[in-house]
Amino acid sequence: DAKTTQPNSMESNEEEPVHLPCNHSTISGTDYIHWYRQLPSQGPEYVIHGLTSNVNNRMASLAIAEDRKSSTLILHRATLRDAAVYYCILRVTNAGGTSYGKLTFGQGTILTVHP
Amino acid sequence: DTEVTQTPKHLVMGMTNKKSLKCEQHMGHRAMYWYKQKAKKPPELMFVYSYEKLSINESVPSRFSPECPNSSLLNLHLHALQPEDSALYLCASSHGRTGLTEAFFGQGTRLTVV
Repeated sequence: DAKTTQPNSMESNEEEPVHLPCNHSTISGTDYIHWYRQLPSQGPEYVIHGLTSNVNNRMASLAIAEDRKSSTLILHRATLRDAAVYYCILRVTNAGGTSYGKLTFGQGTILTVHP
Repeated sequence: DTEVTQTPKHLVMGMTNKKSLKCEQHMGHRAMYWYKQKAKKPPELMFVYSYEKLSINESVPSRFSPECPNSSLLNLHLHALQPEDSALYLCASSHGRTGLTEAFFGQGTRLTVV
């Protein structure tokens, strides 16, 4: 399975932008990059996903490097509610193979937001 | 309705008990997942169902027995568990199994084995 590497923890101040990096140097051409977050005492929550182009939605933006070996989740204005563990996950698209259908979590980044 | 509902929220069971966890979704999703999460660790994938058929079993011990009786419902039957099986059990669903689709998670069942 292609792996992702994220910093263990990051800190931010409220109302400032946050850039959460993820390295995935063994990504294959058809793997989608997914981001989920898990707030304390809750199940994981989908944030955003993309393949090659940068993506925006109401929660965040996803910037994908041209070689796709890394990506960055951008929270434009952090709030206290954004304090969570953020997971970067590769999700395969091609049927067949041992990883098809899996959504495998790595260690994630613990984001702390200071008031 | 974008909810995945898990019941019960909390469960305490003895090592000789048999219990079941239930997960329900009404989004028309055909892929459903069970995860186990220990404190301060990421969720670990246990099982994946696709169109009500088991497609992935991550070498889970047989004391955990999944069942998908219909496209909306996923059960996890528990029997002869050990105290180390105490954890948060999460259910998720997605439209399909590919990278194109996002997954929706329930709030989990917190299981304590005594």
